Amino acid sequence: DAGITQSPRYKITETGRQVTLMCHQTWSHSYMFWYRQDLGHGLRLIYYSAAADITDKGEVPDGYVVSRSKTENFPLTLESATRSQTSVYFCASSRQSGSTEAFFGQGTRLTVV
Amino acid sequence: AQRVTQPEKLLSVFKGAPVELKCNYSYSGSPELFWYVQYSRQRLQLLLRHISRESIKGFTADLNKGETSFHLKKPFAQEEDSAMYYCALNDNQGGKLIFGQGTELSVKP
Repeated sequence: DAGITQSPRYKITETGRQVTLMCHQTWSHSYMFWYRQDLGHGLRLIYYSAAADITDKGEVPDGYVVSRSKTENFPLTLESATRSQTSVYFCASSRQSGSTEAFFGQGTRLTVV
Repeated sequence: AQRVTQPEKLLSVFKGAPVELKCNYSYSGSPELFWYVQYSRQRLQLLLRHISRESIKGFTADLNKGETSFHLKKPFAQEEDSAMYYCALNDNQGGKLIFGQGTELSVKP
């Protein structure tokens, strides 16, 4: 039962480099989400997607790009990484909106030096 | 604008004491509210949702629309309840799932 997986688990990159975080789910869930988790801020929504080829901005989208060409994949790209983007990133998916449970990946710890 | 507020960053109680983790929300429609929990070294997972009106691991939460609150309660805390707790709101029209800042619960022996 693979569920939802993120890769890589850990990443160190330099300021200015482009970085892509991968998220893959095996349930064919319609909704997918990207969050960043920072001390004092909790989980903040970066982008979300209601279906393939449909994406919307969350609370903190600046500096990030997403795509959803296939239902099962939702990669998050940092176009030019900055130190303020050092964080733990979580991907999640849910079958539908409303009262449906969201399932989370194990997280990617990204450090920008 | 949609917002979820958890005023306490850290809540520390002794085993057997009652626990209440506060959650307030701002939303113009009828929200779907949840509590998620993250135990040490584990994934974030659903604890309970308001629509189910259930009790999970002894925890309950009641939606109070008048006070726009969804506080999480447990009458007798256990050490294994120590974790990070997040309140979340689902915009069931647009599909956004918004989380609060989280409250770290520490249950001491």
